[in-house]
Amino acid sequence: GAVVSQHPSWVICKSGTSVKIECRSLDFQATTMFWYRQFPKQSLMLMATSNEGSKATYEQGVEKDKFLINHASLTLSTLTVTSAHPEDSSFYICSARRGAANYGYTFGSGTRLTVV
Amino acid sequence: AQTVTQSQPEMSVQEAETVTLSCTYDTSESDYYLFWYKQPPSRQMILVIRQEAYKQQNATENRFSVNFQKAAKSFSLKISDSQLGDAAMYFCAPRTNSGNTPLVFGKGTRLSVIA
Repeated sequence: GAVVSQHPSWVICKSGTSVKIECRSLDFQATTMFWYRQFPKQSLMLMATSNEGSKATYEQGVEKDKFLINHASLTLSTLTVTSAHPEDSSFYICSARRGAANYGYTFGSGTRLTVV
Repeated sequence: AQTVTQSQPEMSVQEAETVTLSCTYDTSESDYYLFWYKQPPSRQMILVIRQEAYKQQNATENRFSVNFQKAAKSFSLKISDSQLGDAAMYFCAPRTNSGNTPLVFGKGTRLSVIA
């Protein structure tokens, strides 16, 4: 149980285009999801908290207009990288919690974005 | 705000031996949880073990156990009988028990297992 599906697993796009990444909770409802970014050989850095039916909360230094987050349903959150540039190339991971607080969080399998 | 320190960027262990990964954290909360996650080369984040801060007994999951020292805010992970499949990045993460707060990760420790 507590499966989070993330798609696509990898994507290559041209500079200036937009890319959408989906994160779905398959067997539970997730009112809150989290989006992380991970550069090679580094830790996961929290980008934003996605709340169903309301605006996302972004961490300091994360551009809201570049990283659009939509959490339109209890099972789906999307991250859209707008006007992508090579420096946006990274590994993006979503996570959500199912059940009690001590259960930890379940993570998607991640999306490797390469902007050329 | 919570901060997490993993002071060992890299560690190595011989297969079948035991290794301990260190983690210290800082939090002003009294009610919280602590987690160790593993990230193998596939980059999938996998929960290894969790500890409730109000419990004095150290958590154990098969070959994995923790040494939780609440006063010292220390939460180390011990891997016994290390296996090749244990090779991965290991991240420590505390989490307050207040709503849907996110996990904040340390910088991680890269564990290599030598055959």
